[in-house]
Amino acid sequence: EDQVTQSPEALRLQEGESSSLNCSYTVSGLRGLFWYRQDPGKGPEFLFTLYSAGEEKEKERLKATLTKKESFLHITAPKPEDSATYLCAVQQDSGYSTLTFGKGTMLLVSP
Amino acid sequence: DTAVSQTPKYLVTQMGNDKSIKCEQNLGHDTMYWYKQDSKKFLKIMFSYNNKELIINETVPNRFSPKSPDKAHLNLHINSLELGDSAVYFCASSQGPRGGYTFGSGTRLTVV
Repeated sequence: EDQVTQSPEALRLQEGESSSLNCSYTVSGLRGLFWYRQDPGKGPEFLFTLYSAGEEKEKERLKATLTKKESFLHITAPKPEDSATYLCAVQQDSGYSTLTFGKGTMLLVSP
Repeated sequence: DTAVSQTPKYLVTQMGNDKSIKCEQNLGHDTMYWYKQDSKKFLKIMFSYNNKELIINETVPNRFSPKSPDKAHLNLHINSLELGDSAVYFCASSQGPRGGYTFGSGTRLTVV
């Protein structure tokens, strides 16, 4: 069974204080690893898909990296508007597999 | 225009009632999903439809019955609601089962 574990559960940063969120996964054949952002009262919003170990993707202050066992979401010089829950999900490389999500990391960035 | 829209946004109902949640997507996607997010914010797949055909049905009580009248719509009907059904239900769509998912804004169901 696919498993996704995210750490920490919650993270509080000062504005400008860089940090990383971790997503450890086990899946029998990875098709893709996905990062989403979820704001309170809203649906998850797509950020990145990573397909193979060594791949990196960037968007503004966010950079996602992937190894064979985990992914990191690096947040550089965060701003208060980066406050949200960040969700990691994996998709198995077989047939009609769906996304299996972790429980998320709740990030709070204080001014 | 909202890409994936769900109605209603909030639903408060008594135990034992039957209720429906509707979902529509205007992205031209052919695959749609229902996910349940519990009080601990954990998102779990319930159903997946591809071109109106049910392809994934996770271990969900048969009180939950999805229906897809066409590939742009996926509704969820719940019979005999229980307290444990209280959660946020998200609809999502993708182009094929391997495409990126676009989520709706969720329906918060509260059973009292």
